[in-house]
Amino acid sequence: DTGVSQNPRHKITKRGQNVTFRCDPISEHNRLYWYRQTLGQGPEFLTYFQNEAQLEKSRLLSDRFSAERPKGSFSTLEIQRTEQGDSAMYLCASSQPYGQALEQETQYFGPGTRLLVL
Amino acid sequence: LAKTTQPISMDSYEGQEVNITCSHNNIATNDYITWYQQFPSQGPRFIIQGYKTKVTNEVASLFIPADRKSSTLSLPRVSLSDTAVYYCLVGGSNTDKLIFGTGTRLQVFP
Repeated sequence: DTGVSQNPRHKITKRGQNVTFRCDPISEHNRLYWYRQTLGQGPEFLTYFQNEAQLEKSRLLSDRFSAERPKGSFSTLEIQRTEQGDSAMYLCASSQPYGQALEQETQYFGPGTRLLVL
Repeated sequence: LAKTTQPISMDSYEGQEVNITCSHNNIATNDYITWYQQFPSQGPRFIIQGYKTKVTNEVASLFIPADRKSSTLSLPRVSLSDTAVYYCLVGGSNTDKLIFGTGTRLQVFP
């Protein structure tokens, strides 16, 4: 189990540029989540996939944001025309549903990609 | 989704027991209570989950009273490495995304 990995770990870009982040989940996990975290706040949900299907998107995910998980394995999160307000830590998590269990599944988080928009 | 309320920060010294209480007055019947830990520049990490009474693992204990409107995370004999932000969340198998509040920032002093 190599855990969830994210690349790059840090990204500095100028306002108006496009950026793309990658997340590699734990291999047998079929759910993949993206969260955004700003300083002093808890992570906020952005979107999630079950296999290759994107099942839910938060209102935080503006039209400039797009996420894909083309083969149900890794995922990319792209931000177009970045703005300074996009500066944050972008976290990816993966999970494997517990089937008929009642408890909430455990999500395993990657180290995040810290984005700074100048 | 049930909202949680926890203290913004707590201080402790090495070797002490730390108890962090979380309020979740609107918890639903199907909701479980889960705690995550986050170190700076890392993603959150699952600590413990429970439904009622007491749950214990190698890291922490979770106490949940009968009305389930609150819960207490107990960290025995904390060390400097326990300095982190601790988040209390509620949700069940029908809840996909995690809803984090601002968490409790625990600072452990030598």
